Amino acid sequence: DTAVSQTPKYLVTQMGNDKSIKCEQNLGHDTMYWYKQDSKKFLKIMFSYNNKELIINETVPNRFSPKSPDKAHLNLHINSLELGDSAVYFCASSPRTGGAYTEAFFGQGTRLTVV
Amino acid sequence: GNSVTQMEGPVTLSEEAFLTINCTYTATGYPSLFWYVQYPGEGLQLLLKATKADDKGSNKGFEATYRKETTSFHLEKGSVQVSDSAVYFCALTLNTGNQFYFGTGTSLTVIP
Repeated sequence: DTAVSQTPKYLVTQMGNDKSIKCEQNLGHDTMYWYKQDSKKFLKIMFSYNNKELIINETVPNRFSPKSPDKAHLNLHINSLELGDSAVYFCASSPRTGGAYTEAFFGQGTRLTVV
Repeated sequence: GNSVTQMEGPVTLSEEAFLTINCTYTATGYPSLFWYVQYPGEGLQLLLKATKADDKGSNKGFEATYRKETTSFHLEKGSVQVSDSAVYFCALTLNTGNQFYFGTGTSLTVIP
């Protein structure tokens, strides 16, 4: 059973299109994240949700809109795609038990290429 | 603020060499510390972690000790293998925080 699964794994699309990436976790975690990894492997937080509530929204263009229909799912919709959006997008989840965090679990990533 | 600094790569070692990847951090609270590994084309996997000062995390021959006095969490392995070739990320999270902060990653290549 895959703990954090995201689809699709690869996404090639033209500039100006709208696309979505889906993420699901079966770990029962309360917190989910979207990270963007650039070509130099740098990981940058985009969004963080806790129990469907948005708690972190970093400086991300408003063309990016996350949606969490329930605490097991966190989808990412991107409007009007630009060349600079090309990157690998990772979904992750972690438990939130009192004040003690354990590790984040990551999906396999979605490699988005905008042409 | 909160941040992680790790040594820049790429690092190239011969098989059976000793590995050290340096990691230091700054944190506004009391962090938990992690090392993640990313193999080509894959997501990040937890390699080891430490949640309080002087804890030692270990896994698959890798070790790192949480040093509060030097704000460090250096990754070590006594004898690397070709299969250890990957990108290694140091990371922290705070007990009161809502995200994981990652270093820039260190690419390791082990040659036979």
